[in-house]
Amino acid sequence: DQQVKQNSPSLSVQEGRISILNCDYTNSMFDYFLWYKKYPAEGPTFLISISSIKDKNEDGRFTVFLNKSAKHLSLHIVPSQPGDSAVYFCAASQIQGAQKLVFGQGTRLTINP
Amino acid sequence: ETGVTQTPRHLVMGMTNKKSLKCEQHLGHNAMYWYKQSAKKPLELMFVYNFKEQTENNSVPSRFSPECPNSSHLFLHLHTLQPEDSALYLCASRPRGGLAKNIQYFGAGTRLSVL
Repeated sequence: DQQVKQNSPSLSVQEGRISILNCDYTNSMFDYFLWYKKYPAEGPTFLISISSIKDKNEDGRFTVFLNKSAKHLSLHIVPSQPGDSAVYFCAASQIQGAQKLVFGQGTRLTINP
Repeated sequence: ETGVTQTPRHLVMGMTNKKSLKCEQHLGHNAMYWYKQSAKKPLELMFVYNFKEQTENNSVPSRFSPECPNSSHLFLHLHTLQPEDSALYLCASRPRGGLAKNIQYFGAGTRLSVL
């Protein structure tokens, strides 16, 4: 049973527009959420995170939104740039405990010029 | 460059070979992880080490044998692997305290092919 799901395997967005990547989770014990970005032949790179006491966290062009009641988070990238083309993984964890991350399957984002 | 280095980057081995993957971090982190990433699947946690002690073995077959001689180095010893073990093997580490302890930093991975 997959506890973290990214239901869109791929997303294509025009350069300059907003990219919205979605992630759903089932375990209500998760209280810390992260987004990672992965280029081919590289490991995942941490992008942005949010704890469950917040519903929004912003860092430059990247904003993560958390809807706890819906067990849903999203990553907004605006404006989208060609260098944002990558695979994006969401991950969830519990702040207390073993700090294990549970990952989604990833969404491949392509930014078209 | 995240500060987590994995070698080799690519490895091809036969089912009867024995090989080892190496991971090294100089970030002062105290926890290290091995993950497996197969095509179109989420990253699967394999092993967790905290202060050199194994704290998690996620039902990994014994043909994978981890070793953590110190907080900076992690190995994954491989023997009698199967073709379905072909995957990207990722190492990660995380800091000790604060909210940052929830953030794991990954190496570039070893792409393993078992023939």
